[in-house]
Amino acid sequence: KNQVEQSPQSLIILEGKNCTLQCNYTVSPFSNLRWYKQDTGRGPVSLTIMTFSENTKSNGRYTATLDADTKQSSLHITASQLSDSASYICVVSDRGSTLGRLYFGRGTQLTVWP
Amino acid sequence: EADIYQTPRYLVIGTGKKITLECSQTMGHDKMYWYQQDPGMELHLIHYSYGVNSTEKGDLSSESTVSRIRTEHFPLTLESARPSHTSQYLCASRSGRQETQYFGPGTRLLVL
Repeated sequence: KNQVEQSPQSLIILEGKNCTLQCNYTVSPFSNLRWYKQDTGRGPVSLTIMTFSENTKSNGRYTATLDADTKQSSLHITASQLSDSASYICVVSDRGSTLGRLYFGRGTQLTVWP
Repeated sequence: EADIYQTPRYLVIGTGKKITLECSQTMGHDKMYWYQQDPGMELHLIHYSYGVNSTEKGDLSSESTVSRIRTEHFPLTLESARPSHTSQYLCASRSGRQETQYFGPGTRLLVL
């Protein structure tokens, strides 16, 4: 049972527009949440990481929010560019094991059109 | 840009062949991981290592094996490839002090 759910599954937007991707999780206990960007045919690259006490974190045009009470996170992309076309993966880590296990979402496939 | 490399990037091979997917990193990370990812699906951990001579199986059962003879090198081997092994294989590493895993570019494997 996947403990990290992302929506929408795919999204198409026009260049220059903003968009918001959602991530809901049931992982417990909770250590941190990260957003990764995965270009087609490449490995994921970390965008942001947030711990329990952080509710927002920015990385350039990417802003992630976290509500640990409702177990929801969002990734907001401002003024989208063609290079933003990629899969965005939400990853949650628990603190219940020495492995620091990661739970991966299936990603939101974002396509930015000119 | 992370210094973690995977070869080959693409591999097409016949059923029954033995293959080794290479992964190396130059960051001195002690922890390394192998993930399997099918299109549109989440990453599944198949193997991990905490250091030299340390290897463990991950959450997803896999017929592959791994070795960690050197810190920088974490190869994955399939003794007899089958069509069900067709997938993308991602290698990752991290230091013991950091949470973030750095991923390689992946190997796309097609078994005919």
